Amino acid sequence: SQQGEEDPQALSIQEGENATMNCSYKTSINNLQWYRQNSGRGLVHLILIRSNEREKHSGRLRVTLDTSKKSSSLLITASRAADTASYFCAAYGNNRLAFGKGNQVVVIP
Amino acid sequence: EAGVAQSPRYKIIEKRQSVAFWCNPISGHATLYWYQQILGQGPKLLIQFQNNGVVDDSQLPKDRFSAERLKGVDSTLKIQPAKLEDSAVYLCASSPAGTSGGGEQFFGPGTRLTVL
Repeated sequence: SQQGEEDPQALSIQEGENATMNCSYKTSINNLQWYRQNSGRGLVHLILIRSNEREKHSGRLRVTLDTSKKSSSLLITASRAADTASYFCAAYGNNRLAFGKGNQVVVIP
Repeated sequence: EAGVAQSPRYKIIEKRQSVAFWCNPISGHATLYWYQQILGQGPKLLIQFQNNGVVDDSQLPKDRFSAERLKGVDSTLKIQPAKLEDSAVYLCASSPAGTSGGGEQFFGPGTRLTVL
C-alpha cells in the first residue's frame, strides 16, 4: 500500500516565490526521500533525510522530518519555471520505498 | 555515466494480448526495481531484484505478471494476458550494491502502456 500522502495536491505560484509541500506516512521508516518528475527528465531523486535527522538542506531545497507526527515537508525557495513538475515523497521502511500520490507544482514565469 | 535504459518507450495493445518490457540498469548496480505508475498516482513497487535473486515480489500480480533478471544485469517484465487496468507507465530503477537499506534510486524513462 502507498505510505506517503502529500498535501496539497496542486500548487500554482509565481516565479521567485517559495513552494511548500507536506507529506505524511503511516509506519516507522528508515528514511524519507523526495523525488521530482517531469516529462523532460523523468523521475529524479532530490534529497534523502534519515529518521534520526530533523532538517536537511540541498541548494534551494529544505526538508524537515517529524517522526513523532510521521510527517515531512519540502520547501523550494526562490522557485523557477524549471521547477514546474510533480513532487513525490517516498517513505523507506520494511525494505521497501513507498511513494505518495504527488504534488503538482506549476511555477508561472 | 549512462542512465537506466528502458524499451520500448510506448506500447499499445489489445486486452488479453501479452507484452514485454526491457530494462538495462546503470552499470554495476546490483539492485533493480520495477514500478507501476498509474496516471495521477505515485509509483508502486512490483518487484525488486538483488543481483539475479528476487528480494520482494509481494505486490506483483503473479497470475499475469512475471519478471526475470537471469544474469543479474538486464531484466524483462512481462504481462500475459493484459487487462484494461494494466494501462500505466512501467518504470525501472536501479541502485548500487550496499544501498539495499534504502538509498537513492535511479529511474529510467519508463514505458507507457495503453491497453485497449
